[in-house]
Amino acid sequence: DADVTQTPRNRITKTGKRIMLECSQTKGHDRMYWYRQDPGLGLQLIYYSFDVKDINKGEISDGYSVSRQAQAKFSLSLESAIPNQTALYFCATGARANTGELFFGEGSRLTVL
Amino acid sequence: GNSVTQMEGPVTLSEEAFLTINCTYTATGYPSLFWYVQYPGEGLQLLLKATKADDKGSNKGFEATYRKETTSFHLEKGSVQVSDSAVYFCALSPKSFQKLVFGTGTRLLVSP
Repeated sequence: DADVTQTPRNRITKTGKRIMLECSQTKGHDRMYWYRQDPGLGLQLIYYSFDVKDINKGEISDGYSVSRQAQAKFSLSLESAIPNQTALYFCATGARANTGELFFGEGSRLTVL
Repeated sequence: GNSVTQMEGPVTLSEEAFLTINCTYTATGYPSLFWYVQYPGEGLQLLLKATKADDKGSNKGFEATYRKETTSFHLEKGSVQVSDSAVYFCALSPKSFQKLVFGTGTRLLVSP
């Protein structure tokens, strides 16, 4: 089983719908991140969390919200999806003892029609 | 602010050719530097890293040297294989390590 699991792996939805992407990890890491990947833009940070009570906005948080339900779970929500949120979304984890290494899930591909 | 600039791809090579993917950075202070690789259909995984000037990171035949004077961290491999075909991301982390800042990625295509 993967250490960082994202669900769903693929989702097609319509404009205005609420969408939740879920991430769970078995690595025991405190830090969790949500990134968005667009062609030609690399990865952009949406939100990050250093523990259950610590949530921080990244560079592109507008239109997104997150919930850290437990140390192992970090969900990303789009309250009202729009087409330019069509992208590949990655969850990542990192240890508190910072080495700079993040561990990524396999990604959730979201298409908003 | 912090930013990373990578050469645009795709980089197309024949098997056993020499690879260089350029990466330069802008940062306050002295960040740690990383190369991540993304194979088709997978998430990113750490390839190598360097935490201070003149450090050389290496893994799987890939190398990169932290050059403070040129603010660069170029990725090299002496002889690429078809299995090296992937997207390569250069990234930096400030010493305080709030988060990683990624470049836009460079796609490498290696043909037999």
